[in-house]
Amino acid sequence: NAGVTQTPKFQVLKTGQSMTLQCAQDMNHEYMSWYRQDPGMGLRLIHYSVGAGITDQGEVPNGYNVSRSTTEDFPLRLLSAAPSQTSVYFCASSYSNGPYGYTFGSGTRLTVV
Amino acid sequence: QQQVKQSPQSLIVQKGGISIINCAYENTAFDYFPWYQQFPGKGPALLIAIRPDVSEKKEGRFTISFNKSAKQFSLHIMDSQPGDSATYFCAARGYGGATNKLIFGTGTLLAVQP
Repeated sequence: NAGVTQTPKFQVLKTGQSMTLQCAQDMNHEYMSWYRQDPGMGLRLIHYSVGAGITDQGEVPNGYNVSRSTTEDFPLRLLSAAPSQTSVYFCASSYSNGPYGYTFGSGTRLTVV
Repeated sequence: QQQVKQSPQSLIVQKGGISIINCAYENTAFDYFPWYQQFPGKGPALLIAIRPDVSEKKEGRFTISFNKSAKQFSLHIMDSQPGDSATYFCAARGYGGATNKLIFGTGTLLAVQP
């Protein structure tokens, strides 16, 4: 049982490049979300999804896109990377209609130069 | 804007001592208050959680105290151990709806000295 799998673990991008952070879960969780973690800022919600085909914005959505074509996968796309997007990104999943605790992935450390 | 305020930002405790981390919230529609523990290089993991109809919940050395009237809740770690050294996040969930969206505090870095 893998839980929540994030790839890649580390990535360096040049300003203006695009990339996709992958997130997959095998727990049949309806709810999935992306957070970014920055020093002194805690975990801030970027986008979330309550099921396949349904996504919504969180607290800091600008510069990021998401889609949810299957229950298992919830990729996060950076359209044109900026140094301000240097951060550690976490994907989390849970059952909906909670409250339920989240299962987090191990994170992707992204550096934009 | 942050709706859950967490303090202190960092905390140093001697082995065997009590670690106390505090959180305050403004939105009275929150209905679930979990705490997460994060070790370096890892994702956060659920530690303990409480609902607002309960004033205290204890699991081993970890206790949540909840004060609904003051809109505050805190994590107490009794007999703190070096293995408890980690970052701790409080969180709160908005009431109702079909989502399980959590708002997190800014985190507390705990160091337990041997």
